[in-house]
Amino acid sequence: EPEVTQTPSHQVTQMGQEVILRCVPISNHLYFYWYRQILGQKVEFLVSFYNNEISEKSEIFDDQFSVERPDGSNFTLKIRSTKLEDSAMYFCASSPRTGTYEQYFGPGTRLTVT
Amino acid sequence: GENVEQHPSTLSVQEGDSAVIKCTYSDSASNYFPWYKQELGKGPQLIIDIRSNVGEKKDQRIAVTLNKTAKHFSLHITETQPEDSAVYFCAASITGNTPLVFGKGTRLSVIA
Repeated sequence: EPEVTQTPSHQVTQMGQEVILRCVPISNHLYFYWYRQILGQKVEFLVSFYNNEISEKSEIFDDQFSVERPDGSNFTLKIRSTKLEDSAMYFCASSPRTGTYEQYFGPGTRLTVT
Repeated sequence: GENVEQHPSTLSVQEGDSAVIKCTYSDSASNYFPWYKQELGKGPQLIIDIRSNVGEKKDQRIAVTLNKTAKHFSLHITETQPEDSAVYFCAASITGNTPLVFGKGTRLSVIA
């Protein structure tokens, strides 16, 4: 069964450093999402991406964040200058087509900012 | 915006008993309500979902009910097994491809 994959599983970085989290969505899926979960809190939406552009973003997704689909398979989330409060589990998800409700999640990347 | 509340935060049941997890939502425009199961070290896995034109949906030992008037929906797991132990999340969204708004999760422990 196809799955969303994410790398790395755990990333430790120092405050102020740039990080790139990588995702490989399910093949042939068209919509891509990033969510995050700070320890003990709810899973929160960050951004959705379709047709090579951002379709929706939350207020969390400020200028420090960017997303990219550099090739036909990868979908990346970049945090330019990490803060302590960026420490969280980051989940990538994908949906197969327009109008689809279901979103399929990857295993997540745990980001720790020290 | 939408707000989803989930109860209880933890739930322990004996193997073979039923488990019920409840969620409420605030936005009457929401019409899609999925449930996810998250096992240790894995991402959320979609286990069942319901849309607003349906009041109940069943898939083997799991079922979901929706009360649009009261704005609440519930997950029912019957004949629980140890492998049902996980964190369960409810969520809501308005339409296809829109962000999911999640509840805080319920840690279910099934005691053998």
